[in-house]
Amino acid sequence: DAGVIQSPRHEVTEMGQEVTLRCKPISGHDYLFWYRQTMMRGLELLIYFNNNVPIDDSGMPEDRFSAKMPNASFSTLKIQPSEPRDSAVYFCASRQTGGVYGYTFGSGTRLTVV
Amino acid sequence: GNSVTQMEGPVTLSEEAFLTINCTYTATGYPSLFWYVQYPGEGLQLLLKATKADDKGSNKGFEATYRKETTSFHLEKGSVQVSDSAVYFCALTANAGGTSYGKLTFGQGTILTVHP
Repeated sequence: DAGVIQSPRHEVTEMGQEVTLRCKPISGHDYLFWYRQTMMRGLELLIYFNNNVPIDDSGMPEDRFSAKMPNASFSTLKIQPSEPRDSAVYFCASRQTGGVYGYTFGSGTRLTVV
Repeated sequence: GNSVTQMEGPVTLSEEAFLTINCTYTATGYPSLFWYVQYPGEGLQLLLKATKADDKGSNKGFEATYRKETTSFHLEKGSVQVSDSAVYFCALTANAGGTSYGKLTFGQGTILTVHP
């Protein structure tokens, strides 16, 4: 398996623009997680899905953030409108129920909002 | 709620030195415990894990023992290498039945730099 695949690897956008981050989890994994990493706040869980259903979105910072998982092999995290304080590395991770509880992380998307 | 506290970094060592990174946790019940490593420009990789008290996780020369009496999971390595330079994260998940089941809670991370 190719692992968790995120795209793009880097994104630079202007304030106010819409940004969409994409994630393909490992086939057969039924949990998907979106994390944000910054120097100030470390790793923050934004939202996670189980069987494509959002379970906990309490970490989503504002209504400007939304996430979807239309099927088992694809998820998006959208920021609209983007702001400079959204600049961070966004990670997607997946895991399988009944597995060893470990997650597999993607390589991340480094977002810069100017 | 669940929480993980790691020792403050950064940690700077010479090659072949002994490494300890402290990690303590707060959780209800019996969580599973993990150490993840993040190399520059990459995502997090599972380094080792322990799922019950007194379990010892080990990988690549690193070890950590699940100590329920002290709610700790300290990471150790007897002789570090330059290639071990990375950020290390301690984490936990609640066991089945809790509202936090399936969700990883991370510590703040510890930056390790090893000099030749």
